[in-house]
Amino acid sequence: AQSVAQPEDQVNVAEGNPLTVKCTYSVSGNPYLFWYVQYPNRGLQFLLKYITGDNLVKGSYGFEAEFNKSQTSFHLKKPSALVSDSALYFCAVREDYGQNFVFGPGTRLSVLP
Amino acid sequence: DSGVTQTPKHLITATGQRVTLRCSPRSGDLSVYWYQQSLDQGLQFLIQYYNGEERAKGNILERFSAQQFPDLHSELNLSSLELGDSALYFCASSTTGGFPNTGELFFGEGSRLTVL
Repeated sequence: AQSVAQPEDQVNVAEGNPLTVKCTYSVSGNPYLFWYVQYPNRGLQFLLKYITGDNLVKGSYGFEAEFNKSQTSFHLKKPSALVSDSALYFCAVREDYGQNFVFGPGTRLSVLP
Repeated sequence: DSGVTQTPKHLITATGQRVTLRCSPRSGDLSVYWYQQSLDQGLQFLIQYYNGEERAKGNILERFSAQQFPDLHSELNLSSLELGDSALYFCASSTTGGFPNTGELFFGEGSRLTVL
């Protein structure tokens, strides 16, 4: 069965500093990995995905994520955090021949001015 | 704007009642997913439809049912409501439903259900 872990409930970072939101996954087959962001009282917005190819994936709003197969991780990163990046971030996984997305529990990112 | 429309945005009802949540997917998307988001259980997958047929089922209670109509809109029916059903219910759509499925999900803004 698929599963996703986001080991940190909360991440605090100062504006202008780099940020990392961690995600590890477990699947039987090949993983398709996704990051979403949720602002208060809004739906989830797609940031980026890894399907195959280059392990470093670039997405919206300056975010990127690195796929590491040996560590079964897909950490979200941004070189310089903005206050407006403060939100709830979800990692999700789908097996290559599956239909269901499994979401992690979410990590709340707070960027402090 | 994701292009996925959900109605109603807010709904307040009493225990034991029945409600219907509606979702219109993005134009051209054949696949619709329903998720429940509550404070203590995160985002839980309920059910997926692809072009009118049920494709995958998650932790959906027997009191809940869903369907996808020929025009591809979907409805989630929640009956015999309990206090614990209070949550945000999200619909998401995706272009593909075949194998392998590499498409991302596009989420609506959600329907917030409060059961009193």
